[in-house]
Amino acid sequence: LAKTTQPISMDSYEGQEVNITCSHNNIATNDYITWYQQFPSQGPRFIIQGYKTKVTNEVASLFIPADRKSSTLSLPRVSLSDTAVYYCLVGDLGGGSQGNLIFGKGTKLSVKP
Amino acid sequence: ETGVTQSPTHLIKTRGQQVTLRCSSQSGHNTVSWYQQALGQGPQFIFQYYREEENGRGNFPPRFSGLQFPNYSSELNVNALELDDSALYLCASSDLAASSYNEQFFGPGTRLTVL
Repeated sequence: LAKTTQPISMDSYEGQEVNITCSHNNIATNDYITWYQQFPSQGPRFIIQGYKTKVTNEVASLFIPADRKSSTLSLPRVSLSDTAVYYCLVGDLGGGSQGNLIFGKGTKLSVKP
Repeated sequence: ETGVTQSPTHLIKTRGQQVTLRCSSQSGHNTVSWYQQALGQGPQFIFQYYREEENGRGNFPPRFSGLQFPNYSSELNVNALELDDSALYLCASSDLAASSYNEQFFGPGTRLTVL
């Protein structure tokens, strides 16, 4: 099973770039890496997904090294509304091994003015 | 485009009772996955339904069961409730036929309290 490890918490200030790293040493060949954001009393919200190298969308970038044993979510110029818990999810939803879908314990990001 | 909805929002049950939670998937999505999220923890995968069949299961006992209907909505049933079943239950929909099949859309969850 691809166990994931993330920092429990991070602090930042408005306007800064935030990088959150997730370790997943036992990632399988077919596994994807997906990051979600969750606010209190809400379901997780998809941020970004990747398999290898770098992926960028309108809200974040995801960096995955060649060995795929870790990944880094990069949030450019955070604002107060980015205060939330961020989870990395490793697995393959359609690969027949969905039981191996593993969410990390999440990183609580606090953005200060 | 309608998002994922879940009902009820909150539920209180006593130990030993049975509960049914409901989920309507996002329009066009054929897959529903259920997760249990204990307070302060990440979601744990319970099972997935694809085209009305169970398509994968996490480490949960058989008293956790589910259904998916022809319109792709889904139910999660939990029998013989235990105190540790108190959690936020999330459903997520996706489209396994799409290239973005690993992108899941989550509902707001059902908060279950077992007394």
